[in-house]
Amino acid sequence: SQTIHQWPATLVQPVGSPLSLECTVEGTSNPNLYWYRQAAGRGLQLLFYSVGIGQISSEVPQNLSASRPQDRQFILSSKKLLLSDSGFYLCAWSVRGDSPLHFGNGTRLTVT
Amino acid sequence: QKEVEQNSGPLSVPEGAIASLNCTYSDRGSQSFFWYRQYSGKSPELIMFIYSNGDKEDGRFTAQLNKASQYVSLLIRDSQPSDSATYLCAVADAAGGYQKVTFGIGTKLQVIP
Repeated sequence: SQTIHQWPATLVQPVGSPLSLECTVEGTSNPNLYWYRQAAGRGLQLLFYSVGIGQISSEVPQNLSASRPQDRQFILSSKKLLLSDSGFYLCAWSVRGDSPLHFGNGTRLTVT
Repeated sequence: QKEVEQNSGPLSVPEGAIASLNCTYSDRGSQSFFWYRQYSGKSPELIMFIYSNGDKEDGRFTAQLNKASQYVSLLIRDSQPSDSATYLCAVADAAGGYQKVTFGIGTKLQVIP
């Protein structure tokens, strides 16, 4: 069966510091991968998606970036965090076509 | 911009009652419809998906889709306190081989014992 791992679970970072969140999927090949952010009291916002290695599409221009160095690995990064980057970051995967998204456990990021 | 509208609630129902959660969407080209349950502080968990007009039942859950009215709903029968959570409606279209999913803000459900 497929599983998705996301870490760390919680993170407290000062403004201006870098960020690296990692997500890996097991049990499937060539998945679609996604990064979402959920701010307090708000809906899920799609940040990035990827349909293959090295293929990244951004939905919202901001100081975050994403990379997919391997088929089942997705990384979310920032060079300098802002206070507004605080939120609950969720990695998700799906197979091709119209199948549902499946989420990791998420990373709660607090920028201080 | 594609939108998915949900009443944020809270929706309070007594234990054993039917909870009815509703969602409307703006994009007539949407093809796939999902309901996720999210407990406080946790990630969303898929509970139902529906692709065709009509009803789809899975245990105590029934998803209903009306594409003409751009409306999708989730019924929870025999509601339990453990059903208390936020329910996210999600709408998707598959273009270019990937699933672009737009989420509603979610409806908070409270089941009163």
